[in-house]
Amino acid sequence: GESVGLHLPTLSVQEGDNSIINCAYSNSASDYFIWYKQESGKGPQFIIDIRSNMDKRQGQRVTVLLNKTVKHLSLQIAATQPGDSAVYFCAENKGTGFQKLVFGTGTRLLVSP
Amino acid sequence: DTGVSQDPRHKITKRGQNVTFRCDPISEHNRLYWYRQTLGQGPEFLTYFQNEAQLEKSRLLSDRFSAERPKGSFSTLEIQRTEQGDSAMYLCASSFEREKLFFGSGTQLSVL
Repeated sequence: GESVGLHLPTLSVQEGDNSIINCAYSNSASDYFIWYKQESGKGPQFIIDIRSNMDKRQGQRVTVLLNKTVKHLSLQIAATQPGDSAVYFCAENKGTGFQKLVFGTGTRLLVSP
Repeated sequence: DTGVSQDPRHKITKRGQNVTFRCDPISEHNRLYWYRQTLGQGPEFLTYFQNEAQLEKSRLLSDRFSAERPKGSFSTLEIQRTEQGDSAMYLCASSFEREKLFFGSGTQLSVL
């Protein structure tokens, strides 16, 4: 029911810890995946993306891992900061030639000082 | 601020009324998207424009919904005869070709 969607999975970490947020995707043919961060009252903000011909991609303090065998995606945030507190969504692209994104269930990251 | 701009930020309306939202994309972006997000869920794709052409529409976009991008710049999303189930955050995003999407802060619609 609707109430299930209101209870986002939550990850609570201490400032300075590493955070790992996981996501399962549905379509084995998907070739492009993106992680977004959404703060309260704002639209999603691009963090990092990865194409299906890669297993790992690194950005500034973030790493995305893609396991195509089990259709699993993860976002690792190093040295988590209070400013990282937000809802994180993974998305897979189901469009051809454009971004028809299908977003997963978000994970709320809470970082305590 | 040169990001994606949406207006209004909040809209409260009564069931049955028509509403229109505006999106101004990043100026050099030729692609524009509308997504809808309900509380606790991720955004859902509604429609996509390349320049002024509307190239894809979701089945979520009923006949009461219409979107336009008349000159390939700003876009409007109109909902006619609003229903309570239309209450959601309406997000606009833009991109240059197939590059990453930049989202606006959305228009929060509440239908009473």
